[in-house]
Amino acid sequence: AAGVIQSPRHLIKEKRETATLKCYPIPRHDTVYWYQQGPGQDPQFLISFYEKMQSDKGSIPDRFSAQQFSDYHSELNMSSLELGDSALYFCASSLRTGTGGTEAFFGQGTRLTVV
Amino acid sequence: DQQVKQNSPSLSVQEGRISILNCDYTNSMFDYFLWYKKYPAEGPTFLISISSIKDKNEDGRFTVFLNKSAKHLSLHIVPSQPGDSAVYFCAAKHYGGSQGNLIFGKGTKLSVKP
Repeated sequence: AAGVIQSPRHLIKEKRETATLKCYPIPRHDTVYWYQQGPGQDPQFLISFYEKMQSDKGSIPDRFSAQQFSDYHSELNMSSLELGDSALYFCASSLRTGTGGTEAFFGQGTRLTVV
Repeated sequence: DQQVKQNSPSLSVQEGRISILNCDYTNSMFDYFLWYKKYPAEGPTFLISISSIKDKNEDGRFTVFLNKSAKHLSLHIVPSQPGDSAVYFCAAKHYGGSQGNLIFGKGTKLSVKP
């Protein structure tokens, strides 16, 4: 079965550069979520989109922005990168239901290293 | 302030025995709890979930117990197998929140020894 695809898998950037991470959700899933997991940390929710509109916002820095496109893929744009942005970035997707009884499926993550 | 707490960073169990992974939470507005399993270099994989209106959910070797009065849940793996060795994350969802807006614990690394 098709899973959540993230690209690139690994990315190395220098301080103050910009980075764009891409996420392709499971087909027919309408909601995308972004998480950041720093070294030794638990995953932290950044932002989510439902039907191309931002639905929830977590601890996403102002230097970051994201959007969901008409084909439901999403991009996380990160500017003025800092060393502390080095982390594993996960994207997840789900199909919104009214029951709250489903789960989000995660991609394999993009490992961003800022040097 | 950590709303979802996994106080044991690691657990080592003999193959065939029971693994019990614990999770505590502080927010009474959580209405859904999930366990994810994560292998190195992979994304978290959904394992099992439980609604706050239930106290037990079973799926094969995996059972999750919820004690709302104690704000505690646990994941039991019986019998444990070496392939179960991974990091297990407990996660919770706020009532009315979207399904993927989850609050995670820090994870417990389970090692199942042959």
